[in-house]
Amino acid sequence: KAGVTQTPRYLIKTRGQQVTLSCSPISGHRSVSWYQQTPGQGLQFLFEYFSETQRNKGNFPGRFSGRQFSNSRSEMNVSTLELGDSALYLCASETGPNTGELFFGEGSRLTVL
Amino acid sequence: DAKTTQPTSMDCAEGRAANLPCNHSTISGNEYVYWYRQIHSQGPQYIIHGLKNNETNEMASLIITEDRKSSTLILPHATLRDTAVYYCIVRLNAGGTSYGKLTFGQGTILTVHP
Repeated sequence: KAGVTQTPRYLIKTRGQQVTLSCSPISGHRSVSWYQQTPGQGLQFLFEYFSETQRNKGNFPGRFSGRQFSNSRSEMNVSTLELGDSALYLCASETGPNTGELFFGEGSRLTVL
Repeated sequence: DAKTTQPTSMDCAEGRAANLPCNHSTISGNEYVYWYRQIHSQGPQYIIHGLKNNETNEMASLIITEDRKSSTLILPHATLRDTAVYYCIVRLNAGGTSYGKLTFGQGTILTVHP
């Protein structure tokens, strides 16, 4: 069974640009969550989607947004990039409704110059 | 979600048991204890979770004290590949509204030595 797949794995952007990251969950998993990991703040929850609906959201500005498609694939978008947005962005899919057993992808490492 | 406290770092000899403690003194009756680990440059990996009974799977054992204020993750025969940051997390699961959210602390850096 394929794991959680994130693309791209690495990308470099400049301040003010926007970026879209993609996540394909494990087949059959309908819940997709996104996390940001930085050296200073550690792992922080961004948002969670289930059946194309955002059910939970972390404490991030509106520049961070996401969506989920009918096939459970998800994308997150960061607009007007800032230097502080440089981070590893991790996607996770969940085995069932709110089980807490999340399977993470390898992440997309974003560098903002 | 209740707050957890873990030691910053621990060492373990290869082949020996690694016992990682976690304090969660403010845990409520319906909150579960979860353990995840993150090997350098990889996404976190789910290990095990439990409510009040001890749990065991192919990766580890979870021992929760009777008062549920602390727990210990046991890796029975640590290998070099178990070197990672281990996170203890407390949260509600089914029935709560934590959807997808895990509150990660700083975790314990476990270093397994040859």
